[in-house]
Amino acid sequence: GQQLNQSPQSMFIQEGEDVSMNCTSSSIFNTWLWYKQDPGEGPVLLIALYKAGELTSNGRLTAQFGITRKDSFLNISASIPSDVGIYFCAGSGGSNYKLTFGKGTLLTVNP
Amino acid sequence: NAGVTQTPKFQVLKTGQSMTLQCAQDMNHNSMYWYRQDPGMGLRLIYYSASEGTTDKGEVPNGYNVSRLNKREFSLRLESAAPSQTSVYFCASNVGTGVIDTQYFGPGTRLTVL
Repeated sequence: GQQLNQSPQSMFIQEGEDVSMNCTSSSIFNTWLWYKQDPGEGPVLLIALYKAGELTSNGRLTAQFGITRKDSFLNISASIPSDVGIYFCAGSGGSNYKLTFGKGTLLTVNP
Repeated sequence: NAGVTQTPKFQVLKTGQSMTLQCAQDMNHNSMYWYRQDPGMGLRLIYYSASEGTTDKGEVPNGYNVSRLNKREFSLRLESAAPSQTSVYFCASNVGTGVIDTQYFGPGTRLTVL
């Protein structure tokens, strides 16, 4: 089956620093999604990418759909304490209604 | 719109007990999903329903059953709970056209099996 490798597993940064995390796949995906999960809550969609090479921003967040369709990255600029949480990538081949999730990146921001 | 709602939020069971986790969505979505989340494992798909009247197994279906009661509701049943089923359970839904794959998640049910 499809597998996603998400890295890093965890990050400890200082407030104000930029953050980068990425996902790579063994298969081609038609859609890449990035979610954030706050402690005790369900994942919330941050950015959706539907086209190879697409670069999309949402405030301080920027994500790209890799040109090979097998990878994606998420950047967070000028991190703030409320950025703390688990970030998940997810991909879909588009034909079977299912998403494959990475194992998550745990982000800690020190004020 | 409430989005995706789940009940209960917390539950403690003894080994062998049964229970049903409830999920409902008010977004007129066709597809619904049940995941479990364990530390270091990410989100693993238990069962999904691509459309009303259909259900299919996901990655970790053993020990679970599901019912797509109608378009809005999708329940997950544990017939005989085991400690290995201690986890956080999330329900999700999406439009289900196969083109737009964004899934929207509920707040989760935290289940402990003693």
